[in-house]
Amino acid sequence: LAKTTQPISMDSYEGQEVNITCSHNNIATNDYITWYQQFPSQGPRFIIQGYKTKVTNEVASLFIPADRKSSTLSLPRVSLSDTAVYYCLERAGNNRKLIWGLGTSLAVNP
Amino acid sequence: EAGVAQSPRYKIIEKRQSVAFWCNPISGHATLYWYQQILGQGPKLLIQFQNNGVVDDSQLPKDRFSAERLKGVDSTLKIQPAKLEDSAVYLCASSLEDRNEQYFGPGTRLTVT
Repeated sequence: LAKTTQPISMDSYEGQEVNITCSHNNIATNDYITWYQQFPSQGPRFIIQGYKTKVTNEVASLFIPADRKSSTLSLPRVSLSDTAVYYCLERAGNNRKLIWGLGTSLAVNP
Repeated sequence: EAGVAQSPRYKIIEKRQSVAFWCNPISGHATLYWYQQILGQGPKLLIQFQNNGVVDDSQLPKDRFSAERLKGVDSTLKIQPAKLEDSAVYLCASSLEDRNEQYFGPGTRLTVT
């Protein structure tokens, strides 16, 4: 059974770098790994996606090792407004079924 | 660019009643998704449409849930009859094609009493 695993919660302080790792046990060969951010009472919001190695945009970086069995979302210098739940999303198996992680609740403290 | 629209935003019904949710995706997006998100959990895909055809409905409880996407644009999700465990946020999302970069609406919070 395909599943993704990520920490349930993390705590950080303003200005720190936060790394959230997701493991993928049955990721589809040719699909991207995607990360979303969700605030209370809102739908998830796309942050970043990648296929392998490293991807960086204005919000975050995404590190994916060669075996693609995991991915790490890196948030540089977090602020209070980064307090949210972060989900990894992959497609698994030959039928490319969408698999969402359970989410990591990040709390950024002043 | 207008985002994904959903209505209603909130709905309270009694068990065994019926309810319907509406979604209007981003213009030009061929793929539409309905998710159920129970408090404290990640989104669970209920059904995925590509234009007006169903791609994946393997987790849709078909004895009580139904969905349609007429003309490949708007979509409705219906629950009949509702159960207490259907209390959740129902999220609609769309994407250009069948890809992971999806755009979500604000969701409909359903409470079944």
